[in-house]
Amino acid sequence: SAVISQKPSRDICQRGTSLTIQCQVDSQVTMMFWYRQQPGQSLTLIATANQGSEATYESGFVIDKFPISRPNLTFSTLTVSNMSPEDSSIYLCSVEDKGTNTDTQYFGPGTRLTVL
Amino acid sequence: QKEVEQNSGPLSVPEGAIASLNCTYSDRGSQSFFWYRQYSGKSPELIMFIYSNGDKEDGRFTAQLNKASQYVSLLIRDSQPSDSATYLCAVKAGGYQKVTFGTGTKLQVIP
Repeated sequence: SAVISQKPSRDICQRGTSLTIQCQVDSQVTMMFWYRQQPGQSLTLIATANQGSEATYESGFVIDKFPISRPNLTFSTLTVSNMSPEDSSIYLCSVEDKGTNTDTQYFGPGTRLTVL
Repeated sequence: QKEVEQNSGPLSVPEGAIASLNCTYSDRGSQSFFWYRQYSGKSPELIMFIYSNGDKEDGRFTAQLNKASQYVSLLIRDSQPSDSATYLCAVKAGGYQKVTFGTGTKLQVIP
């Protein structure tokens, strides 16, 4: 399976600021996903990031708040803009690995964000 | 709206027992089914995937799928305290459809 790394692993930020989270994969993948997991909750998909096209956002998430870049097949960034305490969450990068003829998703280690 | 439902638990089982985790889904077009394990403070880890009706075994884990009943389950035999985690059921319709996750069942294995 693909090996995924994320930076930073955690951060504490002041409200009104922005944080960019990086996701690096050790192999080329077509589809990358960004999820949010709030304390005690399940995973909520923010957007799907495909190389060479605009990210596709889920209902309730907008590009101005969560801009995403996908410059190549191994890298993506998610920015959390103009943060408020409600943005405190774990942000997870995920990829769909078709290398084994399956459509399974694998997750990075996550970024734990606290907004004060 | 596509839904995946799980009992939130906690499900408590004694060490060595069989833990049975259940999941139902609403989309009859679903084709791929996954179980993830998530330890507290960690990211989800894929345990099993299943595509066809019936059972699929991998070590102490068995995934069971019944598409007619829209039901998928995970059995953990000889449960160990290290199996204590939240188990997420995930369902996908296929192609470029997104994966829908359940809210997870918290499993506690009592030594």
